[in-house]
Amino acid sequence: DTGVSQDPRHKITKRGQNVTFRCDPISEHNRLYWYRQTLGQGPEFLTYFQNEAQLEKSRLLSDRFSAERPKGSFSTLEIQRTEQGDSAMYLCASSAAGGIQETQYFGPGTRLLVL
Amino acid sequence: GIQVEQSPPDLILQEGANSTLRCNFSDSVNNLQWFHQNPWGQLINLFYIPSGTKQNGRLSATTVATERYSLLYISSSQTTDSGVYFCAVGNAGGTSYGKLTFGQGTILTVHP
Repeated sequence: DTGVSQDPRHKITKRGQNVTFRCDPISEHNRLYWYRQTLGQGPEFLTYFQNEAQLEKSRLLSDRFSAERPKGSFSTLEIQRTEQGDSAMYLCASSAAGGIQETQYFGPGTRLLVL
Repeated sequence: GIQVEQSPPDLILQEGANSTLRCNFSDSVNNLQWFHQNPWGQLINLFYIPSGTKQNGRLSATTVATERYSLLYISSSQTTDSGVYFCAVGNAGGTSYGKLTFGQGTILTVHP
């Protein structure tokens, strides 16, 4: 069990560019979540996958955001035409199902800065 | 949606002191987790505690689900305890799929 990993850890981009982040969950976990955290706030839910199915999306996830989990393993989060307001820490979490297995484990995050 | 309030927002302690952090939530939950966020942003799991009491070393937590609050106790605090502590709740029933709703956090600073 190597934990949840995210790549890249840091990303600096110019406004209007597209960016893509990757999350590799804990191997036996079928649930995967994306959250966004801005300075001084707690993380906020963006979207949820169970296996390869995207089952829930937050209103925070505008049409410039898209997430995939093509084979039910790793996931990608893409932001198109980035805006300065997209600057934040993007966190990925995974969990199994049932009882204490609901525990969500978080990756180290991808810190995005849009100039 | 569920509202989560944490108190106090800031806490400053001398090394060796004890502290209690509180988390109130507005609806029934079947997932409650406490996290410590380190200076690099990593959220470290402390407890999965939707009800009852758990202890892990100098840390313990109690959740009273019927009264919709949870407490995190830190005893004999150390400088390495500094950081932000988050309470997060979720409800895997219905269509919520277990997403966590976080409080605003408690910023703990422990001075030597």
